[in-house]
Amino acid sequence: GAGVSQSPSNKVTEKGKDVELRCDPISGHTALYWYRQSLGQGLEFLIYFQGNSAPDKSGLPSDRFSAERTGGSVSTLTIQRTQQEDSAVYLCASSLGPRGQGSSYNEQFFGPGTRLTVL
Amino acid sequence: AQKITQTQPGMFVQEKEAVTLDCTYDTSDPSYGLFWYKQPSSGEMIFLIYQGSYDQQNATEGRYSLNFQKARKSANLVISASQLGDSAMYFCAMREGRGTGRRALTFGSGTRLQVQP
Repeated sequence: GAGVSQSPSNKVTEKGKDVELRCDPISGHTALYWYRQSLGQGLEFLIYFQGNSAPDKSGLPSDRFSAERTGGSVSTLTIQRTQQEDSAVYLCASSLGPRGQGSSYNEQFFGPGTRLTVL
Repeated sequence: AQKITQTQPGMFVQEKEAVTLDCTYDTSDPSYGLFWYKQPSSGEMIFLIYQGSYDQQNATEGRYSLNFQKARKSANLVISASQLGDSAMYFCAMREGRGTGRRALTFGSGTRLQVQP
């Protein structure tokens, strides 16, 4: 009964370096989301995976950001050539997917996040 | 235009009193869902309550209820009998559409609630 897990919990990197953030969704959840939360702000959508469909990348802020989801489970968010404005908490969420109605099908379960600091 | 607007950056409430956190939304899609999440200082996002656009009754979950006024496009969260542990950031969020389209949430900027003893 594990929830969504993310690693690392904290990442400090130097400007210009690449970073990879990992998300393990809840087993059986077909939908996976990445969000970014800057200090004191709400969550900003980045990318969405649903099953084997092509991901919705409409929220990615630049081409330095990319994500993949292998085998319909684990996802990795990669930020290349990090900038100071990339500093934020990166949150991953998963849900059962688009079938049905009601909160049990709509609820997104969030991981604890990865706090990224770019020096 | 903002999809989700939370006009109260901060709120104070006395313990055991009720508090209403405001949320208005903007969508032209007839099918949508509204969510409230709680984010304590530890950072995790905790789902509180959900309201579907076609739901006839206001959603309730324990001490949480959602005052859904569709014509006004508002979805205020009411917390009854506030507890010290309710102190946190509260986010209103919306998901538009149904089916296999994008299911990501659009979040408001949040309201920081502080419950005072």
